[in-house]
Amino acid sequence: DQQVKQNSPSLSVQEGRISILNCDYTNSMFDYFLWYKKYPAEGPTFLISISSIKDKNEDGRFTVFLNKSAKHLSLHIVPSQPGDSAVYFCAASAPGNTGKLIFGQGTTLQVKP
Amino acid sequence: DVKVTQSSRYLVKRTGEKVFLECVQDMDHENMFWYRQDPGLGLRLIYFSYDVKMKEKGDIPEGYSVSREKKERFSLILESASTNQTSMYLCASTWGQGNTEAFFGQGTRLTVV
Repeated sequence: DQQVKQNSPSLSVQEGRISILNCDYTNSMFDYFLWYKKYPAEGPTFLISISSIKDKNEDGRFTVFLNKSAKHLSLHIVPSQPGDSAVYFCAASAPGNTGKLIFGQGTTLQVKP
Repeated sequence: DVKVTQSSRYLVKRTGEKVFLECVQDMDHENMFWYRQDPGLGLRLIYFSYDVKMKEKGDIPEGYSVSREKKERFSLILESASTNQTSMYLCASTWGQGNTEAFFGQGTRLTVV
């Protein structure tokens, strides 16, 4: 039972345009969400997070939006750069303060020059 | 900077061998995790530990065990390696309480032949 879903396996955008990566979740108890970026043969690196008390969090070119009623979040990258080409994972923090993260399947972003 | 170090980047083992994957973190984090990453499946939690000598099963613990004798070190053990355990293995750590990001090691690409 996939509690965090990224339904788009891949996304291709032109350099300078906006990249929008989507994520859906099923458990209304999730209250903290994160995005990670992963290059091949490397570990994931933290990008940005959002608490359920907010609906938007921004950090430079990266913005995460949270729609609690729809159980949906999205990551916007503006403007996209070729170096952003990677796999992006959405994650939710499991209830109970254990530090456990529940990950989506990942979306491979390709930014074309 | 937090550093999570996995002992090997690449490993090739034979079916039936006992395999040890080691992970060390240098930031005094209470929680440590082992995930595996497979295409289309995202990151799945194998085991985690929230204290020395404590362990909890994740979503896919079958065929694995763990050891945490010291706070900074968390080992993943494949008791008898099988070809379906060929995967990317990722170690992570987090602070003890509250919502916080996980810090990942660089990953170990294990191939079982």
